[in-house]
Amino acid sequence: SYELTQSLSVSVALGQTARITCGGNNIENKNVHWYQQKPGQAPMLVIYGDSNRPSGIPERFSGSNSGNTATLTISRAQAGDEADYYCQVWDSSSYVFGTGTKVTVL
Amino acid sequence: QVQLQESGPGLLKPSVTLSLTCTVSGASIRSYYWSWIRQPPGKGLEWIGYINYSGSTNYNPSLKSRVTMSIDTSNNQFSLRLNSVTAADTAVYYCARERSTIDPFEYWGQGTLVTVSS
Repeated sequence: SYELTQSLSVSVALGQTARITCGGNNIENKNVHWYQQKPGQAPMLVIYGDSNRPSGIPERFSGSNSGNTATLTISRAQAGDEADYYCQVWDSSSYVFGTGTKVTVL
Repeated sequence: QVQLQESGPGLLKPSVTLSLTCTVSGASIRSYYWSWIRQPPGKGLEWIGYINYSGSTNYNPSLKSRVTMSIDTSNNQFSLRLNSVTAADTAVYYCARERSTIDPFEYWGQGTLVTVSS
């Protein structure tokens, strides 16, 4: 089965840039979606189709996908961005989620 | 405004069947795909399966032998049944909506915690 690998945690200083990676075999051939999940809340979509932002998501959130790695970038990180982030794809008739990355804003 | 709300028992004993219902408002269940996703405490997300507007289903291979989903278009609801539960099935269960299999989960319910314990 297809696997998506994410770093366990990422720390970023307030106002700086955080990059969260999602590794998968030839992931560039798939549509990658990203979700933000804060404690006690349901996940919320922040990027879809590799690099598209849903309505209401700040431009500070961006995405890219190349080779075996998809990346979610958070620019000018704010305290409110502290959360768990998950990537997700569709593969071989199943939805697959990444292992999740905890982002800490220092 | 599309809203999803899970409902069902919060505490189950081992070996029984878990039954949850998701009630959809603000959109017709006669379109799109409707999924169940779960998250064990402190762990990541796991897709359980989906049912679409025509009643076609697709389940996670790891759970397929124990899962059944159904749809009730008259009440705008869809449901999950998971047989023979164990402590490993303890999780927050979410229902969610996607437009198609390559599209993201746009809308999520708030989630409901199901605990399996004797």
